Amino acid sequence: GAVVSQHPSWVICKSGTSVKIECRSLDFQATTMFWYRQFPKQSLMLMATSNEGSKATYEQGVEKDKFLINHASLTLSTLTVTSAHPEDSSFYICSATGLAGTGETQYFGPGTRLLVL
Amino acid sequence: AQTVTQSQPEMSVQEAETVTLSCTYDTSESDYYLFWYKQPPSRQMILVIRQEAYKQQNATENRFSVNFQKAAKSFSLKISDSQLGDAAMYFCATCKAAGNKLTFGGGTRVLVKP
Repeated sequence: GAVVSQHPSWVICKSGTSVKIECRSLDFQATTMFWYRQFPKQSLMLMATSNEGSKATYEQGVEKDKFLINHASLTLSTLTVTSAHPEDSSFYICSATGLAGTGETQYFGPGTRLLVL
Repeated sequence: AQTVTQSQPEMSVQEAETVTLSCTYDTSESDYYLFWYKQPPSRQMILVIRQEAYKQQNATENRFSVNFQKAAKSFSLKISDSQLGDAAMYFCATCKAAGNKLTFGGGTRVLVKP
């Protein structure tokens, strides 16, 4: 149990385009999903928290119009990087909570490497 | 606000030996949770062990165990009988309640020498 998938695992795009990353909980209903960004050799930085059917809560300094988050169902959240620029290149990771009996434990997806040219 | 500090950027251990990773945290919450996550070169974050702060008994998971000192706000991880596959970044983290955001430490890189 507690499998979280992300798609795509790799994406290369041109500057100015938008990129959508999907995060799915495969074998449990995720009450809450989180989106992180990780730079090389650094820790994870939380970008936003999303609950199914409600607006995401963004961390200070994260542009909500730049990083659009949609949590339309209990198994799917999406992160859209709008008008991507080279500085948005990073490793993006999602996580999900809600597995019965482990409510507070976050299970992580494998991550998405984004390279903006 | 919660903070997590991992004072060891890198630790090296001989295969089959034991290594202990330190973690200290600060929180004003009375009820919270503590975690160790492993991030191997694939960058997949893997839950190693978790501890509920209200439980006095230290959590164990096979070769992984913690030393939870609540008063000192310390949560160290011991890896026994180290294996090559244990080589990874290890992150200590805490959250205040179910569904709440995690606060991570800066990580400790573990190198395992054959």
